[in-house]
Amino acid sequence: AQTVTQSQPEMSVQEAETVTLSCTYDTSESNYYLFWYKQPPSRQMILVIRQEAYKQQNATENRFSVNFQKAAKSFSLKISDSQLGDTAMYFCAFIPQGGSEKLVFGKGTKLTVNP
Amino acid sequence: DTGVSQDPRHKITKRGQNVTFRCDPISEHNRLYWYRQTLGQGPEFLTYFQNEAQLEKSRLLSDRFSAERPKGSFSTLEIQRTEQGDSAMYLCASSPRTSGSLYEQFFGPGTRLTVL
Repeated sequence: AQTVTQSQPEMSVQEAETVTLSCTYDTSESNYYLFWYKQPPSRQMILVIRQEAYKQQNATENRFSVNFQKAAKSFSLKISDSQLGDTAMYFCAFIPQGGSEKLVFGKGTKLTVNP
Repeated sequence: DTGVSQDPRHKITKRGQNVTFRCDPISEHNRLYWYRQTLGQGPEFLTYFQNEAQLEKSRLLSDRFSAERPKGSFSTLEIQRTEQGDSAMYLCASSPRTSGSLYEQFFGPGTRLTVL
């Protein structure tokens, strides 16, 4: 069974600073996708960034980038130039390529950006 | 494209009552998913549809839960004889699952259920 672990229940960062959220996962699959989703308070979940396991290059989306270490099964999210609007729950998620289509989520990290 | 919508947004019910939630996916998305999210946890998969066919169900989906997606459009999730442990946020997501979608799922705002 696939599992996703986020070891930081809560984190805080000052506005304009950089913060890294950790995620590890366990799977026997060789091809899969990894995602970071953001869930602002009382708002719906939106995709922040995704990574295909077969790609060695780390994905980037504006201020968001990942450090994908396939051998270590690690998938951390770096947020640069943090903004107040980045305050949210962040969930790491995994889905295998082929087979089950369910997203497997971690428990989330609550990020607070302080002014 | 107005995104995934869910109705109602909040539902308060008494233990033992039946409740039904509705999800309208993004038009032309052939995949539709239901997840449950309890406080302090990540979403947990319940079930998913490809068009009108229910292809996978989690063991979390007890006999009191039933989901349908008639005609492959909107979906309903019904919980019979609700229990206090059913209190949670019920999330719906949809996906086009085209070659370019890279398995991304688009989430709705959720229905928060409180069972008294």
